[in-house]
Amino acid sequence: EIVLTQSPATLSLSPGERATLSCRASQSVSNYLAWYQQKPGQAPRLLIYDASNRAAGIPARFSGSGSGTDFTLTISSLEPEDFAVYSCQQRRIWPPTFGQGTRLEIK
Amino acid sequence: QVQLVQSGAEVKKPGASVKVSCQASGYTFTTFGINWVRQAPGQGLQWMGWISAYNGDTNYAQKFQGRVTMTTDTSASTVYMELRSLRSDDTAVYYCARDRNPLELRSLRSDWFDPWGQGTLVTVSS
Repeated sequence: EIVLTQSPATLSLSPGERATLSCRASQSVSNYLAWYQQKPGQAPRLLIYDASNRAAGIPARFSGSGSGTDFTLTISSLEPEDFAVYSCQQRRIWPPTFGQGTRLEIK
Repeated sequence: QVQLVQSGAEVKKPGASVKVSCQASGYTFTTFGINWVRQAPGQGLQWMGWISAYNGDTNYAQKFQGRVTMTTDTSASTVYMELRSLRSDDTAVYYCARDRNPLELRSLRSDWFDPWGQGTLVTVSS
């Protein structure tokens, strides 16, 4: 199965700063990659699918890029509600797999 | 709006079984598949399997084959996940999550997960 490696494990930034999160796949997943946001005590929420498409209701400050094995989630200017755990997921190769997550914390 | 509501927390002893329900509303139940994903304490997300709400077809992750059963009750718009022979490392929050795309538009063997249920904590302890 495909292993997704996210980096960094923890990212400490301040509101208003730009966040860049990475997800690397153990083999090519084409553009079949998604990003989820999870806040403490809540279920994950789909942010980005097909590497770069924002899900319904997701603010424009969230963007995704990449293809093949290297992907990036960018949050252009952090809002207080953006501090959470972000996980990537691939569905190119069955079974679908997730990365271990990046914790975005307030500096 | 589309909503998935799961059953409440469970405490089970090792070797027992647990059955978690996920009731859907806000869309035509039989036009989408439902997935189950679990998250152990402090760990990442782990996909367990999928069921078609149209005809009950299932795909299970190899890790859970033989120990998990997913079923549907279309009259109640509800999906069930039963996990047997529970061990302490099955302690986790179990989520149901609908496929993002309806069955007729699925392009691969799996889909994106949107939306998710609120989660059900299953604790396995003697």
